[in-house]
This record gives sequence, structure tokens and C-alpha cells, in this order.
Amino acid sequence: AQSVTQLDSQVPVFEEAPVELRCNYSSSVSVYLFWYVQYPNQGLQLLLKYLSGSTLVKGINGFEAEFNKSQTSFHLRKPSVHISDTAEYFCAVTLPSGYSTLTFGKGTMLLVSP
Amino acid sequence: KAGVTQTPRYLIKTRGQQVTLSCSPISGHRSVSWYQQTPGQGLQFLFEYFSETQRNKGNFPGRFSGRQFSNSRSEMNVSTLELGDSALYLCASSQGGSGPQHFGDGTRLSIL
Repeated sequence: AQSVTQLDSQVPVFEEAPVELRCNYSSSVSVYLFWYVQYPNQGLQLLLKYLSGSTLVKGINGFEAEFNKSQTSFHLRKPSVHISDTAEYFCAVTLPSGYSTLTFGKGTMLLVSP
Repeated sequence: KAGVTQTPRYLIKTRGQQVTLSCSPISGHRSVSWYQQTPGQGLQFLFEYFSETQRNKGNFPGRFSGRQFSNSRSEMNVSTLELGDSALYLCASSQGGSGPQHFGDGTRLSIL
């Protein structure tokens, strides 16, 4: 079975500062990795995904993530955050087996202040 | 292209009742998955349907059931509601396989 650990439940940061949200996963086989964002009273929006190929993945809204197989990590980064980035961020994994089942981390609340 | 639509957005029920939630996937998507989101347990997988067949099921009691129609729309039913069933229920659709899932805004279910 797969599992996902998001090491920080909350990350406070000032506007225009860089941010990194950490995600580690556990799996005995290869996985696909995703980051989703959830704004208040909304569903999840896909930020970016890693399926194969280049380990640096660029997503929407200026976010990027780096897949590190040896450290089983998939950390999310943004060089300069905005107030509007305040939201909860979820890291998720799935198996490349053809079955659409996502295993999520507990989420990291990103709090951007002026 | 319209996104995933879930109805209703909010629902209040009492213990012992049953409830049906609806999900219309993105046009052309044949896979529909359901998730339960609570503050304590986070996001948990309920079940997945593909071409009207349940392909995968999470670790939830039999009170939770679902189905998918020939137009890929899906419904989820919870019988004999308990206080602990209060949650945001999210539906996601995809083309199938391990392609990215697209989520609706959810149905917030409150049990009194």
C-alpha cells in the first residue's frame, strides 16, 4: 500500500517570499504523484503532476515540484507567493495500474500574510 | 467544457435517515471516484466506478454505496446516517487509467 506524509500542517509566510511545501511518499512500486490545492468551500484543483520523464515539473500559478526517487519526495515550491495563494495544499499518489484511486496526505495550510 | 458538477451543495439530515448525492462528470470521462473529507481523517477514498462497474472500493461500511449510469453520471447513497458521516463528499472524474482526476466542489453533509 502507498502512503503520503506532508510534514507541515501549517506554513506561514509573508507575501513575495519563497515557499516550499514538503511531501514524502512510501511505496514498494513506482507511483504517479500529484499536488492539488483547495480554496475555502471549493473542491480540489490540480496544480501539477509527475508521471514520468523530467523530475522537475511545472504547474499552474507559478508552482513547480521536484520528484526525488532516492528520497521518495515530491516537494512543492513557489519563488514568490501572493495573498491569493492562501489555501490548503494536498500531495497525492496513485499507482500506474489503470485504477483511479488517489491516496492523499493530510494537507498543508499555506497562510500568506502581507 | 463544463467541470464536474455535484448536487446538492449542502444537505442537512438527521441520524437514521438516508441520503443520495449526485455527480455529473466532465463530458467524455468514464471514471468517477468518490472521496470523503473530514477534519480528523482527511481525504479518504470511498469507491470508483468505470463504465457502470465498481472497480475499486475503500474501507467504508456497507451503508455507503454507489452506482454509475450509462451516461457516466454517478450517485452515492448513505443509509442509516450517523453523526460521524458529517463531511464534505467530493466526486472526481477522469478519462480512466491513472490520468489526473478533476474534482467537483463537493456536497457538504451535516448530520444532526
